[in-house]
Amino acid sequence: AQSVTQLGSHVSVSEGALVLLRCNYSSSVPPYLFWYVQYPNQGLQLLLKYTSAATLVKGINGFEAEFKKSETSFHLTKPSAHMSDAAEYFCAVITTGNQFYFGTGTSLTVIP
Amino acid sequence: GAGVSQTPSNKVTEKGKYVELRCDPISGHTALYWYRQSLGQGPEFLIYFQGTGAADDSGLPNDRFFAVRPEGSVSTLKIQRTERGDSAVYLCASSLGPSGGSYNEQFFGPGTRLTVL
Repeated sequence: AQSVTQLGSHVSVSEGALVLLRCNYSSSVPPYLFWYVQYPNQGLQLLLKYTSAATLVKGINGFEAEFKKSETSFHLTKPSAHMSDAAEYFCAVITTGNQFYFGTGTSLTVIP
Repeated sequence: GAGVSQTPSNKVTEKGKYVELRCDPISGHTALYWYRQSLGQGPEFLIYFQGTGAADDSGLPNDRFFAVRPEGSVSTLKIQRTERGDSAVYLCASSLGPSGGSYNEQFFGPGTRLTVL
């Protein structure tokens, strides 16, 4: 079965500092991988996705992620955190049946 | 255009009652998904519709949960004899239909927060 593991349920960074949110996947076939963001009381919003094209994927709001097959990782980064980045972030992998498996989420706090 | 909408946004009910949660997908999207997000967890897959039929209902936790999509558009998730453990945010997503193995992006609604007292 496919799954994703997000290391660190809570991450705090200072405003302007690097954001690094970790995600490792388990998949027997090349996966499609995603990062979603969820602001309080809102739905999930797609940040970026990897679908076997370029391994470095750029998304919205300055986020990017690199697919590393050798490490089975798809970590999310942003060079400089903004206060508005405070939210819950979910990594997800999709099955051949177009069904998402989500990680447990990482709550990002940005300290002014 | 309009996104995925879900009603109600909040539902409070008593243990043992029956509830219905509604999802209006994006117009033209033939695929529809239901997920459940418990507190502190990521969304968990419940059921997937392609058109009017349930293509995969392997995520439904038990027979108290049922979903329909009679006309291939709006879907209703039905929960009988609700239990406190059913309290969660229920998310709906829709996408274009199958496309030869490539991925179609799922667009999520804001969810319905169900509280069972």
